[in-house]
Amino acid sequence: AQTVTQSQPEMSVQEAETVTLSCTYDTSESDYYLFWYKQPPSRQMILVIRQEAYKQQNATENRFSVNFQKAAKSFSLKISDSQLGDAAMYFCAYRSANTGNQFYFGTGTSLTVIP
Amino acid sequence: GAGVSQSPRYKVAKRGQDVALRCDPISGHVSLFWYQQALGQGPEFLTYFQNEAQLDKSGLPSDRFFAERPEGSVSTLKIQRTQQEDSAVYLCASSRYPRLVDEQFFGPGTRLTVL
Repeated sequence: AQTVTQSQPEMSVQEAETVTLSCTYDTSESDYYLFWYKQPPSRQMILVIRQEAYKQQNATENRFSVNFQKAAKSFSLKISDSQLGDAAMYFCAYRSANTGNQFYFGTGTSLTVIP
Repeated sequence: GAGVSQSPRYKVAKRGQDVALRCDPISGHVSLFWYQQALGQGPEFLTYFQNEAQLDKSGLPSDRFFAERPEGSVSTLKIQRTQQEDSAVYLCASSRYPRLVDEQFFGPGTRLTVL
């Protein structure tokens, strides 16, 4: 099975600053999808950004962008101009394009935003 | 409704009891997933439905776990003879189409505590 590793259990950032959350994954497949999900204390997971592995261009959604390094199997999330509402658990997830029923999630990074 | 709903939000069961957890996906969503999220961990895949068909149940941890979606809409996850290790948050997610890149919309989860 694929594994997804988030090596930073906790991160903090000053409001309006930039923070990068790291994610690495292990796979032998060439075609797959990567996601970042946000889970606020209310517990409802929300999609932040997604990346298709065949696309070389890094995905961007407003203040959120990724640095996708396919050869290194790395998929980091950059949050610019951090806001108090960004405080949450962030999960990186992998989905195979071949056996795509399953999502594999990392253990999460808890982000604190300091006013 | 506007989003995925789950009921009950909280469930306390005595060890050995049977429980049933309900998921109401977004109307018209074809795909439905169940996940188990232990404390401090990322969600772990349990099972996947496409309409009423259960296409993947490889994540169900034992034969005490059973899921159904008889009419392709509401789904129920049943756990028989609950054990303490079943204590977790159970998340349901749905997506409009079974395309692999599609966003999953998550419910708020059911927190199951087995005493």
